Amino acid sequence: DIQMTQSPSTLSASVGDRVTITCRASQSISRWLAWYQQKPGKAPKLLIYETSTLESGVPSRFSGSGSGTEFTLTISSLQPDDFATYYCQQYHSYSLTFGGGTKVEIK
Amino acid sequence: QVQLVESGGGVVQPGGSLRLSCAAFGFTFGSYGMHWVRQAPGKGLEWVAFIQHDSNNKYYEDSVKGRFTISRDNSKNTLYLQMNSLRAEDTAVYHCARDFRSGSNYFDYWGQGTLVTVSS
Repeated sequence: DIQMTQSPSTLSASVGDRVTITCRASQSISRWLAWYQQKPGKAPKLLIYETSTLESGVPSRFSGSGSGTEFTLTISSLQPDDFATYYCQQYHSYSLTFGGGTKVEIK
Repeated sequence: QVQLVESGGGVVQPGGSLRLSCAAFGFTFGSYGMHWVRQAPGKGLEWVAFIQHDSNNKYYEDSVKGRFTISRDNSKNTLYLQMNSLRAEDTAVYHCARDFRSGSNYFDYWGQGTLVTVSS
């Protein structure tokens, strides 16, 4: 199975900060990567698919980049609603696998 | 609007069985692949199983192969997960999730989940 490693596991930031989360795959997954946001007690929400395509309704301050084994999710200017946990997910092959998550906390 | 509602969770002893259901509303259920994804308390997300829109293909995460069975009834707009030989490590909230489009293998709608607790 392809292992997905996210870093950092926790990130402390302030409103207005630029935030970057990294996701590394144990082998090349081309651009078959999605990002989700999850808030406590809620289901995950799809943010980005195919590395950089924003899901409908997702604010443009979110962006994704990368290919092969290294990917990033960037929030250009952190907003109060963005404090949450973020997960990457590869869909290059089964078993589908997620990163361990990055919790974005208020500094 | 699209809604997925899970049910069937509960407390079960190790070695026991449970069947989860996921009722789908607001879209043409029979046109979409569906998944189960679980999340152990305080932990990350783990994909469990996938079923193609017409049930012709099914895939499972290694640790549940041979113990869990995914199925669907398109006439009832319902997805199922039959879980046998349950273990403590199967304790989690189980979410059903819709394929963004057929065969995409990422998820655009999720249910709120149903909690399965395996404990003696």
